[in-house]
Amino acid sequence: QVQLVESGGGVVQPGRSLRLSCAASGFTFSSYGMQWVRQAPGKGLEWVAIIWYDGTYKYYADSVKGRFTISRDNSKDTLSLQMNSLRAEDTAVYYCAKNRRLGGGTSPLDYWGQGTVVTVSS
Amino acid sequence: DIVMTQSPDSLTVSLGERATINCKSSQSVLFSSNNKDYLAWYQHKPGQPPKLLIYWASTRESGVPDRFSGSGSGTDFTLTISSLQAEDVALYYCQQYYNIPLTFGGGTKVEIK
Repeated sequence: QVQLVESGGGVVQPGRSLRLSCAASGFTFSSYGMQWVRQAPGKGLEWVAIIWYDGTYKYYADSVKGRFTISRDNSKDTLSLQMNSLRAEDTAVYYCAKNRRLGGGTSPLDYWGQGTVVTVSS
Repeated sequence: DIVMTQSPDSLTVSLGERATINCKSSQSVLFSSNNKDYLAWYQHKPGQPPKLLIYWASTRESGVPDRFSGSGSGTDFTLTISSLQAEDVALYYCQQYYNIPLTFGGGTKVEIK
């Protein structure tokens, strides 16, 4: 069955960096786009970034553009999110999620990981 | 950016009664070339990841009970739970995937009366 397992969360000081990873299994990872979605404490869901199945296209929310980088290694079935210049408002549970649609483009998300907690605090 | 506005913020419904959640987009999410609305609904329970319920505005995801249904087109959409069950207590979000950035509604909390 499809499994997405995030790792890399933790407590980090403002201005520092953190790298999240998402290990995928149970499906042909290289055939599906992937996304990151976050939920800040007491807030709703916020879309963060999307990457095409082959890594050719990457798009970001304005709130993270220029600071976060989404990437993937299709040889290792792994999705990553490099987060630089972290701010208090980046504190959230970060979910990796799989596109329902095969190939490129936007899509609803049919499988989600359990999430990893990122806390930005001094 | 397309702004998604959900109403109400919260909803209290008796077991077995109907629950209706509305979602309005600031611009149409209907793609004319395939006549599909790029609108999804998710259920989110505390401590769990969100679960896809509905996509293309009205297509139920596999395994989702048929008491959940989606309707609407263009800019106005509705998620209906026809007969509320205890396990349906959750937050519900609409999301448009018509444009990047993909955007979610603010969420609607459904509780039992």
